[in-house]
Amino acid sequence: RKEVEQDPGPFNVPEGATVAFNCTYSNSASQSFFWYRQDCRKEPKLLMSVYSSGNEDGRFTAQLNRASQYISLLIRDSKLSDSATYLCVVIHTGTASKLTFGTGTRLQVTL
Amino acid sequence: EAQVTQNPRYLITVTGKKLTVTCSQNMNHEYMSWYRQDPGLGLRQIYYSMNVEVTDKGDVPEGYKVSRKEKRNFPLILESPSPNQTSLYFCASSSRVSGNQPQHFGDGTRLSIL
Repeated sequence: RKEVEQDPGPFNVPEGATVAFNCTYSNSASQSFFWYRQDCRKEPKLLMSVYSSGNEDGRFTAQLNRASQYISLLIRDSKLSDSATYLCVVIHTGTASKLTFGTGTRLQVTL
Repeated sequence: EAQVTQNPRYLITVTGKKLTVTCSQNMNHEYMSWYRQDPGLGLRQIYYSMNVEVTDKGDVPEGYKVSRKEKRNFPLILESPSPNQTSLYFCASSSRVSGNQPQHFGDGTRLSIL
């Protein structure tokens, strides 16, 4: 089983739709969680951190479910510019300097 | 402007010819790392460094070397490149790995080994 797993997609959604992605992780000692966005052939960029209590940034909401070992990203009112690959990142407590990336979920927002 | 700079951006070379990909950051970050990205496998960490003269292996270190003699620089060295090292490489830095500190990525280096 991979340490961090994501559905690769693609998720094809119309503009204005709400879409959600999940990311599961296998190491229960994982400590920190992030969502990154990556446009085609470009560098990943931090989208948002994921806090235990859940957090929101505009149209984006991130949540953590430690019991089931997954994090989620919800995008409301999708825009064409949201089309990208979304990567989840997990940091393990025992190896705090090592980040593990999921393979990413591709989102395509259409007219 | 705060940035991570990688060079070269593109390189085509042949098997066995030693090469170095440079990485430099101007944010005074302690933590730096190298990743390779391959289709279906995502980003995998090659090596990381928590500070000067401190480096450690990531998930896929075989065939690579790194050094951290200065805080700002973290070159990736391929002593004897092979075709399976053809990939997109990213360097990243962070002031601190834990907590909220984001990883700042360079623009990437597309490497082709023939």
